[in-house]
Amino acid sequence: DVKVTQSSRYLVKRTGEKVFLECVQDMDHENMFWYRQDPGLGLRLIYFSYDVKMKEKGDIPEGYSVSREKKERFSLILESASTNQTSMYLCASRSGGTSYNEQFFGPGTRLTVL
Amino acid sequence: AQTVTQSQPEMSVQEAETVTLSCTYDTSENNYYLFWYKQPPSRQMILVIRQEAYKQQNATENRFSVNFQKAAKSFSLKISDSQLGDTAMYFCAFMRLPSGTYKYIFGTGTRLKVLA
Repeated sequence: DVKVTQSSRYLVKRTGEKVFLECVQDMDHENMFWYRQDPGLGLRLIYFSYDVKMKEKGDIPEGYSVSREKKERFSLILESASTNQTSMYLCASRSGGTSYNEQFFGPGTRLTVL
Repeated sequence: AQTVTQSQPEMSVQEAETVTLSCTYDTSENNYYLFWYKQPPSRQMILVIRQEAYKQQNATENRFSVNFQKAAKSFSLKISDSQLGDTAMYFCAFMRLPSGTYKYIFGTGTRLKVLA
């Protein structure tokens, strides 16, 4: 079974704090993704990575950065958290290649910024 | 750019009844995949069913089936014999081929409640 795990299910931070969200997958997947999920807006892609140390901006990268130092780990960083970053954050991973590969999701981290 | 639209934010269905969730999409691509994902309350999102655009036959997975209308760019999900465990958010998603690093495009979701 593919497993995608996220470091925290719930997180409460204060405005201005630096926040790290960690994601680990155990299936040697090349691609990893960070999404933000908000009611009425669905899933929006923040950043993705297709290889170690490689990253690409998604649809809403402002206020976020990412790090992928090892293949299995993909971190989302909020340099200075703001209240409008209160949301559910989902990590996902998927094998590479040109044919279809299923995308697997982590359980999510619900972040509240006070 | 591709877009995915789910026009039903919330739906409810009685247990054992059938319900259909709607999804439309817009693309100029010819080769792509469409998906329905399920996110139960406080649980992980999982794949329910997928459809390859080049296949005319509608995909089915047990009680879940799709009605794929390529020309109309419509991809609805039918859940038969609804069960309480089907209560969840359902997301429609699109991915073009070849996949590689290509990202999924998600709809805004439909919250389905199955009533006892």
